Amino acid sequence: ETGVTQSPTHLIKTRGQQVTLRCSSQSGHNTVSWYQQALGQGPQFIFQYYREEENGRGNFPPRFSGLQFPNYSSELNVNALELDDSALYLCASSLVIAGQETQYFGPGTRLLVL
Amino acid sequence: AQKITQTQPGMFVQEKEAVTLDCTYDTSDPSYGLFWYKQPSSGEMIFLIYQGSYDQQNATEGRYSLNFQKARKSANLVISASQLGDSAMYFCAMREENYGGATNKLIFGTGTLLAVQP
Repeated sequence: ETGVTQSPTHLIKTRGQQVTLRCSSQSGHNTVSWYQQALGQGPQFIFQYYREEENGRGNFPPRFSGLQFPNYSSELNVNALELDDSALYLCASSLVIAGQETQYFGPGTRLLVL
Repeated sequence: AQKITQTQPGMFVQEKEAVTLDCTYDTSDPSYGLFWYKQPSSGEMIFLIYQGSYDQQNATEGRYSLNFQKARKSANLVISASQLGDSAMYFCAMREENYGGATNKLIFGTGTLLAVQP
């Protein structure tokens, strides 16, 4: 168990709608990253938050936005959904063990856009 | 640009045998980290093993070991004594160390689907 949870597990939306995905990590995990994994592909980095500030962004348009809260939870918001946004969305929080920082992933949210 | 290549889309292995999953990487950064994750059909990415670019010895974690050949830029995962529960997708990933100050961006390969046969 990584201690990282995500909600909802599955979601169906229609094109043009907006969606909010949630992630909760353990106390002390002050960095959270979000990834998009299309079917048959490896995860692609969306962005990262550190101490409630965006700290890096991948090649995703501004309609992908996020928030991180003091209680170690975070959100991924996607506006104006497109069919290609259908994917598994993974959040990962970072933990340092023995000087090594490793990302631990949640179970993901499967989003289907119709 | 950093890149991870996994050339084996799928692999079969007999139960109790060892299997090697290939991973090559490309980076100009002298400091980087290499990871292997397991993704069962449920979707969760499970951390298996880590190798730092400056580590002198190959990483091992139980039945998992990483065959790190820095000059060849390869980081193959070796699973010994395969079990039926090892059947899953396996991803090799690299941590980009100098990404605008963020140190945790992971770049993933396309994965290898491992099927363990009884």
